[in-house]
Amino acid sequence: QVQLVESGGGVVQPGGSLRLSCVASGFIFSSYGMHWVRQAPGKGLEWVAFIKYDGNNKNYADSVKGRFTISRDNSKNTLYLQMNSLRTEDTAVYYCAKVAIYCSSTSCYLDYWGQGTLVTVSS
Amino acid sequence: SYVLTQPPSVSVAPGQTARITCGGNNIGNKNVHWYQQKPGQAPVLVVYDDSDRPSGIPERFSGSNSGNTATLTISRVEAGDEADYYCQVWNSSSDHVVFGGGTKVTVL
Repeated sequence: QVQLVESGGGVVQPGGSLRLSCVASGFIFSSYGMHWVRQAPGKGLEWVAFIKYDGNNKNYADSVKGRFTISRDNSKNTLYLQMNSLRTEDTAVYYCAKVAIYCSSTSCYLDYWGQGTLVTVSS
Repeated sequence: SYVLTQPPSVSVAPGQTARITCGGNNIGNKNVHWYQQKPGQAPVLVVYDDSDRPSGIPERFSGSNSGNTATLTISRVEAGDEADYYCQVWNSSSDHVVFGGGTKVTVL
């Protein structure tokens, strides 16, 4: 069965850096695009970033563009999110999620999600 | 950027029908997807491409989409349906995923 396991969360000071990982199993990781989605405490879902199956196309929310970098290592079945210049408003649970089939011009949805990892940015 | 608007809350008695709306400019021209999230858990896909259900999702969950409003309908509501529900589209002009603000469904 499909499993996505995030790690790397923790407490970091404003301006600091953190790298999240998401290890995938139960499907052919190299064939699917992947997303990071976050959820601040008590708030709704916020999309963060997307990477195509081969890593050649990446997109970011305006709120993280220039500070966060999404990447993947298909040989290790692992998705990453490098977070730099962290701000207090980046405090959230970060989920990795798998694209159901592929992101076309009309549709892109997420069929499996990890359990999330908590990032707290505080001094 | 594309904005999706959901009511913050919907209350429904057990056995009745809950309807959760998701408003967006010409959303009928987009494919809408819906997620259920229970406290402390990750979101779960319940409807995709406006009205299709993933395997394992009860037929009580259905969706529709037309004009400026998409709707998730939960028939014969059960206590276990109490959760937050989010609509989502793909904004192809920016290649961004967009979520609605979420609707908390309370079963009375």
